[in-house]
Amino acid sequence: GAGVSQTPSNKVTEKGKYVELRCDPISGHTALYWYRQSLGQGPEFLIYFQGTGAADDSGLPNDRFFAVRPEGSVSTLKIQRTERGDSAVYLCASSYGRDAEAFFGQGTRLTVV
Amino acid sequence: EDQVTQSPEALRLQEGESSSLNCSYTVSGLRGLFWYRQDPGKGPEFLFTLYSAGEEKEKERLKATLTKKESFLHITAPKPEDSATYLCAVHASGTYKYIFGTGTRLKVLA
Repeated sequence: GAGVSQTPSNKVTEKGKYVELRCDPISGHTALYWYRQSLGQGPEFLIYFQGTGAADDSGLPNDRFFAVRPEGSVSTLKIQRTERGDSAVYLCASSYGRDAEAFFGQGTRLTVV
Repeated sequence: EDQVTQSPEALRLQEGESSSLNCSYTVSGLRGLFWYRQDPGKGPEFLFTLYSAGEEKEKERLKATLTKKESFLHITAPKPEDSATYLCAVHASGTYKYIFGTGTRLKVLA
């Protein structure tokens, strides 16, 4: 595809439910990032994949958050037992490598009610 | 601790009124500094990468410069369509993540 694609664009879920957010990176990009952005703030790092492996997951806030990238392309961010504080825009980005510029998707707006 | 601070938080300009946005950073070793533009409801859009002090990049009305402690995004004769939030991010040595500032919200009035 031409750019990074994220689905769904919007997700409303009830507190305590499980959600999955999907990211389709730019074809050929081996590096993939997940970020979270709250209103009026800059993006906050969650996790970085190089290929299939998570090279840095230091930004995941707790063990309710988990991400996978099984074939080195599409990635899924999984959130268990959602809390109202998880409400934010979740951004995915991809690049050719850790030193190359990253290109972002349009984000998934998650609202936990 | 690696840190990025952007100023001002918000800026209102008249069309044609040139100005500069500031990004101050503290990192253990800079691998790259990135500027992005973000429109409401959209993801950040890549503008520039700067790797070393003294480097400059230009694109249309925008010019980014880098010193050892800060970067400037100069906007020459802005137009209303330049209204957006401009984000600065740094990539530090020994890490994989980008650290973002909180952005400068720019409004250009016709």
